[in-house]
Amino acid sequence: NAGVTQTPKFRVLKTGQSMTLLCAQDMNHEYMYWYRQDPGMGLRLIHYSVGEGTTAKGEVPDGYNVSRLKKQNFLLGLESAAPSQTSVYFCASSRTDSEQFFGPGTRLTVL
Amino acid sequence: GENVEQHPSTLSVQEGDSAVIKCTYSDSASNYFPWYKQELGKGPQLIIDIRSNVGEKKDQRIAVTLNKTAKHFSLHITETQPEDSAVYFCAASTGRRALTFGSGTRLQVQP
Repeated sequence: NAGVTQTPKFRVLKTGQSMTLLCAQDMNHEYMYWYRQDPGMGLRLIHYSVGEGTTAKGEVPDGYNVSRLKKQNFLLGLESAAPSQTSVYFCASSRTDSEQFFGPGTRLTVL
Repeated sequence: GENVEQHPSTLSVQEGDSAVIKCTYSDSASNYFPWYKQELGKGPQLIIDIRSNVGEKKDQRIAVTLNKTAKHFSLHITETQPEDSAVYFCAASTGRRALTFGSGTRLQVQP
């Protein structure tokens, strides 16, 4: 089992560009999450999904969109990147309210 | 929403000593309290968790205690080793939503 994988690992964008981060899990988990991690602030929830075809906003959803068209995939989109979105992004998955398994992260820099 | 505060932000101990990290939470409905360890360049990994119907849980050198009345929980690491050096995060959840994380504690174990 690969667990939770994230693509890409690193990315540099210019302000105003768009991109999509891909998260995939092979554990048949119902729940998937996107977090961002900034220095001294821990992990903050951006969006999450409790099942295929469903999404919900987290603590810091502005400037991001998500889609969960397949159970194993959770996509995070930035339509018009801003320097404030420079961060490390983590995807996680879980069975209902149990342990969350995290991916290795994507380091995004917006110039 | 839930707010989780974590202290201290940095902790340095000598190898073999004990380390204690403390967290408080605000939402009395929270019932799941995991602790994650994050090594440099990696995603967080669950090391121990506790549910609100239990006051203490132990796994080898790691233990977690929960005081529901005071709304705080703590991580205890005994006989620390250099490989325990990492960033530790506490988190809280009401069970059907994503986790709210503390801001993290950087633990350094001096050989």
